[in-house]
Amino acid sequence: NAGVTQTPKFQVLKTGQSMTLQCAQDMNHEYMSWYRQDPGMGLRLIHYSVGAGITDQGEVPNGYNVSRSTTEDFPLRLLSAAPSQTSVYFCASSRSGGPAFFGQGTRLTVV
Amino acid sequence: TQLLEQSPQFLSIQEGENLTVYCNSSSVFSSLQWYRQEPGEGPVLLVTVVTGGEVKKLKRLTFQFGDARKDSSLHITAAQPGDTGLYLCADAGLVQGNLIFGKGTKLSVKP
Repeated sequence: NAGVTQTPKFQVLKTGQSMTLQCAQDMNHEYMSWYRQDPGMGLRLIHYSVGAGITDQGEVPNGYNVSRSTTEDFPLRLLSAAPSQTSVYFCASSRSGGPAFFGQGTRLTVV
Repeated sequence: TQLLEQSPQFLSIQEGENLTVYCNSSSVFSSLQWYRQEPGEGPVLLVTVVTGGEVKKLKRLTFQFGDARKDSSLHITAAQPGDTGLYLCADAGLVQGNLIFGKGTKLSVKP
């Protein structure tokens, strides 16, 4: 049982490049979320999904897109990376009333 | 917008000492979760508290939830180096998958 798997673990992008951060869970959880963690800022919610085909914005959605075509996968897309998007990104999944399980994170640097 | 304040921001103690960290919310918690995050890893759930006045114990960790459900404390007895990490409180909120985090208390326990 792998839990929540994020890829890649590390990534360096140039300003303006696009990329997709992958997140997959094998626990059949209906709820999935993306957070970013910056020094002194804690974890802030970017986007979340309450089930396949349903997504919504969190606190800091600008510059990010998501989709949820399957229960297992919840990719996060950066269409045109900016230095302000340098951060550590965490994906999480949960079921109704249950705890959130987090991936190991993706460390993204935009130069 | 709900704000969670955690204090202290940093705490450095010697092995064997006791400590308490705090989490205060600007509004009543839906349910409060405490997480611990080790360097390079995602947060891991320690406990969920729901009822005002609730006390939960997890080995040397004692979690208290205020009667008014707006504050919580985490007390660690006889801290060990393995307790080192970032302690985060979060409100599970009204929408599943939508956690609101405090900025955390960074604990360092020196041998």
